[in-house]
Amino acid sequence: DAGVIQSPRHEVTEMGQEVTLRCKPISGHNSLFWYRQTMMRGLELLIYFNNNVPIDDSGMPEDRFSAKMPNASFSTLKIQPSEPRDSAVYFCASSLNRNTGELFFGEGSRLTVL
Amino acid sequence: EDKVVQSPLSLVVHEGDTVTLNCSYEVTNFRSLLWYKQEKKAPTFLFMLTSSGIEKKSGRLSSILDKKELFSILNITATQTGDSAIYLCAATNFGNEKLTFGTGTRLTIIP
Repeated sequence: DAGVIQSPRHEVTEMGQEVTLRCKPISGHNSLFWYRQTMMRGLELLIYFNNNVPIDDSGMPEDRFSAKMPNASFSTLKIQPSEPRDSAVYFCASSLNRNTGELFFGEGSRLTVL
Repeated sequence: EDKVVQSPLSLVVHEGDTVTLNCSYEVTNFRSLLWYKQEKKAPTFLFMLTSSGIEKKSGRLSSILDKKELFSILNITATQTGDSAIYLCAATNFGNEKLTFGTGTRLTIIP
């Protein structure tokens, strides 16, 4: 299996622009998570889905952030409009067994908002 | 609000030394504690602990959980330069699947 696949790997954009990050989870995994990592705050959970349904989005910073999972093999995280404070590495992770807590992470999308 | 705190924030030791990384947690309906290693990119899973006092071991790495005192430690013996990484601790609770992560310990091994 190719693992969790994220794109783009790097994104540099200007403040106010729309940013879309994409994720393909491991086939057969039924839970998908979006995390954001910064030096100051570490890894923060933004939202997670189970069987394509959003379960907990309490970590989504504000209305500028939205996430979708239209099917079991694809998810997007959108920021509109982007701001410099959104600069971070965004990780997508998936899991098979909801009881183990073991997440498989993608390699992340590094976002820089100028 | 669930909270996971790791210490130290960073650690620099010489190759061959033994290190102990600490993780304390305050989590409602605690279920498990997990350790991850993050090198340049994605965190990778090391251990999951659910029971107090039972050591999990993998090569030179070992970990134990104390559910009474609400902490866990990760030990690495005979450290090697390849152990240089950020070590992340995370806690889960019953009722949902989300992991609450600490900010990590950045470990640097000097040859």
